[in-house]
Amino acid sequence: QQQVKQSPQSLIVQKGGISIINCAYENTAFDYFPWYQQFPGKGPALLIAIRPDVSEKKEGRFTISFNKSAKQFSLHIMDSQPGDSATYFCAASISFGNEKLTFGTGTRLTIIP
Amino acid sequence: DAMVIQNPRYQVTQFGKPVTLSCSQTLNHNVMYWYQQKSSQAPKLLFHYYDKDFNNEADTPDNFQSRRPNTSFCFLDIRSPGLGDAAMYLCATQGARTGVPNEQFFGPGTRLTVL
Repeated sequence: QQQVKQSPQSLIVQKGGISIINCAYENTAFDYFPWYQQFPGKGPALLIAIRPDVSEKKEGRFTISFNKSAKQFSLHIMDSQPGDSATYFCAASISFGNEKLTFGTGTRLTIIP
Repeated sequence: DAMVIQNPRYQVTQFGKPVTLSCSQTLNHNVMYWYQQKSSQAPKLLFHYYDKDFNNEADTPDNFQSRRPNTSFCFLDIRSPGLGDAAMYLCATQGARTGVPNEQFFGPGTRLTVL
């Protein structure tokens, strides 16, 4: 019940295209859903996060879509650039009590020219 | 400008030789985490401190210990490193009482090699 399932494992997108990564969770107590971006040899960096009271959050080229009834959320990267090539992790946690992150398995994104 | 600092960035040790990794933070966050990350995998939580309270994950080997002498510093001790302990070790902090309570800030990691 604590798992967060992430797909696809790897993704190749042409420059300028839309990259879409999906995650699904089981625990309905989760109320914070961040996405982390990690470059090789670096620590994960928070990219964007959403809470279940909204269905979408947009920051620049990055958008989270959230479907509470389906217990799914996804990351959309518009106008994907080679600099977006990295590993992306979705995660989930519960506020005010157990803020430990439950990570998805990660998606290696490659943007080709 | 660095907020979560890890030293060293690269550590090479011999099989069975104790090693200590360090983490410091300038965010004054009350929660600190240690993760182990192996190649192509998600970070795996080893333990965390909520203020001074130590919380060990059930599947963290006894070989791994931690110390938090004050708010700013946290150490990971590996008493007898095995080849399977070669990994990236990530420190993260969280201000559970300030700002966005769930948000975790990660350091750059220490890459541990065991010979």
